Amino acid sequence: GIQVEQSPPDLILQEGANSTLRCNFSDSVNNLQWFHQNPWGQLINLFYIPSGTKQNGRLSATTVATERYSLLYISSSQTTDSGVYFCAVEATSGTYKYIFGTGTRLKVLA
Amino acid sequence: GAGVSQSPRYKVAKRGQDVALRCDPISGHVSLFWYQQALGQGPEFLTYFQNEAQLDKSGLPSDRFFAERPEGSVSTLKIQRTQQEDSAVYLCASSFSASGPYEQYFGPGTRLTVT
Repeated sequence: GIQVEQSPPDLILQEGANSTLRCNFSDSVNNLQWFHQNPWGQLINLFYIPSGTKQNGRLSATTVATERYSLLYISSSQTTDSGVYFCAVEATSGTYKYIFGTGTRLKVLA
Repeated sequence: GAGVSQSPRYKVAKRGQDVALRCDPISGHVSLFWYQQALGQGPEFLTYFQNEAQLDKSGLPSDRFFAERPEGSVSTLKIQRTQQEDSAVYLCASSFSASGPYEQYFGPGTRLTVT
């Protein structure tokens, strides 16, 4: 089945710093989402982005489907950005289910 | 509007007990998913419903796990004769469309601890 790898696994930033999180996947995908799992465990939708580029405030994401990767950019990080970031993909086989990546654990220091 | 809700939020069960976890999807959402998240890991797919039809149950770890969505809205995940390895957070997600593209919305999860 499709493999989804995220990097880096852990990231510590000072408040105000910028960062780039990467998601590599091993096969073509129909759908891709980025989520932020907050310290209370809630998965918050960041982007639905099977291809192209989107921006939402301090966050933006780019998916290059032909090269099988997606990037999440966080600018001017805040302590509330702390948590785990997951990308999730649905393979083109049309199974509907998401395969989640390994996650990036982000800690932003005040 | 209301998001996906799950109940109970926390459940402690003695080994061997049966448990039932409930998911209320976003109103009008056709697709419903259950995932299991072990500590420190990403969520893993359990099962998928399109309306009341269970189209994929390939992720259910054993025949002790059973899910239903009889009227195409609320879903229940039942675990019989719970074991310690069943301890995890159980997440429910729903999406509007039965065919892509679509976006999945997750509930807050039920944390199950089997003692």
